[in-house]
Amino acid sequence: NAGVMQNPRHLVRRRGQEARLRCSPMKGHSHVYWYRQLPEEGLKFMVYLQKENIIDESGMPKERFSAEFPKEGPSILRIQQVVRGDSAAYFCASSPGLAGVYEQFFGPGTRLTVL
Amino acid sequence: SQQGEEDPQALSIQEGENATMNCSYKTSINNLQWYRQNSGRGLVHLILIRSNEREKHSGRLRVTLDTSKKSSSLLITASRAADTASYFCATDGPGAQKLVFGQGTRLTINP
Repeated sequence: NAGVMQNPRHLVRRRGQEARLRCSPMKGHSHVYWYRQLPEEGLKFMVYLQKENIIDESGMPKERFSAEFPKEGPSILRIQQVVRGDSAAYFCASSPGLAGVYEQFFGPGTRLTVL
Repeated sequence: SQQGEEDPQALSIQEGENATMNCSYKTSINNLQWYRQNSGRGLVHLILIRSNEREKHSGRLRVTLDTSKKSSSLLITASRAADTASYFCATDGPGAQKLVFGQGTRLTINP
C-alpha cells in the first residue's frame, strides 16, 4: 500500500522560472494538503483541496502560487516566476476525509532550490 | 496566531534515558498530533490525541493533553539512537482541517 508520493524529490529552478510540484495521495484518500517548511522551522499550511475543489487556501501567497487537484491525476502546486525566497521543502499530506478520521499522512517532500 | 510551540528547542540525552518534549498552543483545538521528522526527510505520524482525551500510549510513546493549560507532552521511554530526529506537535481547530505546527524539538540520542 503505497504512501503519499511526491515528485520530483529535488527541483532546481532559476529566478523567474516556473516550478510544478506533484502529489499523489494515498489510495482511498480524497483530501490533500500542501505545507511549506523553511530550514530549521516547522511546517506552514498553504492550501487544502478535495477533488476539483479548493477548500481552504488561507496560507497561499496571493500571487504566483496556485494549486489544483483534478478529477484524474495528482495534485499540482504551481509556483510561477520563482524567487529565492521560495526555496524551501514543500510537503503534501493526504487524509481519507472520513468523519472522525483526522490523521494526515505526509509525503517525502519536494526540496525546491531557486538559484 | 501561532500554535504548537515546542519546548525545549533542542534536547540531548543518553541512550536508554527518557525524553520529554512539551507543546503549548493558544486557541481551542479538536485534536493534537505528534510527528517525527528525520533530517531531510518527510514527516512520520506518531500519535493523535483528541481534545476529550487526557493520555494516550503507543509502544514507547506516551502523550498527555491538558486542555485547561493548553499544553501537551510527548514522552519517549528507553530512548534509542534511532529516535534521533525532530519532533513536532500539530493542532487542528474547530471547523478547520489544516494543521498548525510548532517549531519542533530537535532530539539527539547519544550512544
